[in-house]
Amino acid sequence: DVQLQESGPGLVKPSQSLSLTCSVTGYSITSGYYWNWIRQFPGNKLEWMGYISYDGSNNYNPSLKNRISITRDTSKNQFFLKLNSVTTEDTATYYCARADSHEGFAYWGQGTLVTVSA
Amino acid sequence: EIVLTQSPTTMAASPGEKITITCSASSSISSNYLHWYQQKPGFSPKLLIYRTSNLASGVPARFSGSGSGTSYSLTIGTMEAEDVATYYCQQGSSIPPTFGAGTKLELK
Repeated sequence: DVQLQESGPGLVKPSQSLSLTCSVTGYSITSGYYWNWIRQFPGNKLEWMGYISYDGSNNYNPSLKNRISITRDTSKNQFFLKLNSVTTEDTATYYCARADSHEGFAYWGQGTLVTVSA
Repeated sequence: EIVLTQSPTTMAASPGEKITITCSASSSISSNYLHWYQQKPGFSPKLLIYRTSNLASGVPARFSGSGSGTSYSLTIGTMEAEDVATYYCQQGSSIPPTFGAGTKLELK
């Protein structure tokens, strides 16, 4: 069964970078699908941040385009999120998820809360 | 980006009651790209319905979806206590994929 798990610091200082890892088991991230980061703000709004596809290409939310980078380590079957110059408004629960455009986000990690605070 | 507007924002239903949640898109989207999720407190969103009307694996048959163009809906045929959750629609028709603000369903 496909499983995704996020990991990374729970607290980041303003102006620093937020870095998270998504570890995938049960499916190779190079075999297919799109590997996404989605965040949920306090108040429950969901925002798609971007993806890295099975072939290594990226697509990002234009609202984040200058701050975001999604990369991968195929040998470890992991993909990564880096968000630069964070502010308190980046405080959210961050999820990684697998998607197909015709099937939605079918698999999600359990989520990790990241708080941006001095 | 395509804005999805859900209605109602919050609702309460009695066991056995029929529930309908609507999702209105700011631009027409293909029914192949409209999906619904259920999120219970403390858990990740769970895919409920994909491509407007297809039940995800393990989803009870009391859930159904329909719609086209800019108007979509999620129906629970008979409300059960375990259906208490927040429901989100999502479009994958254009980048960025977007979600509705959610409909919180409570038990009356």
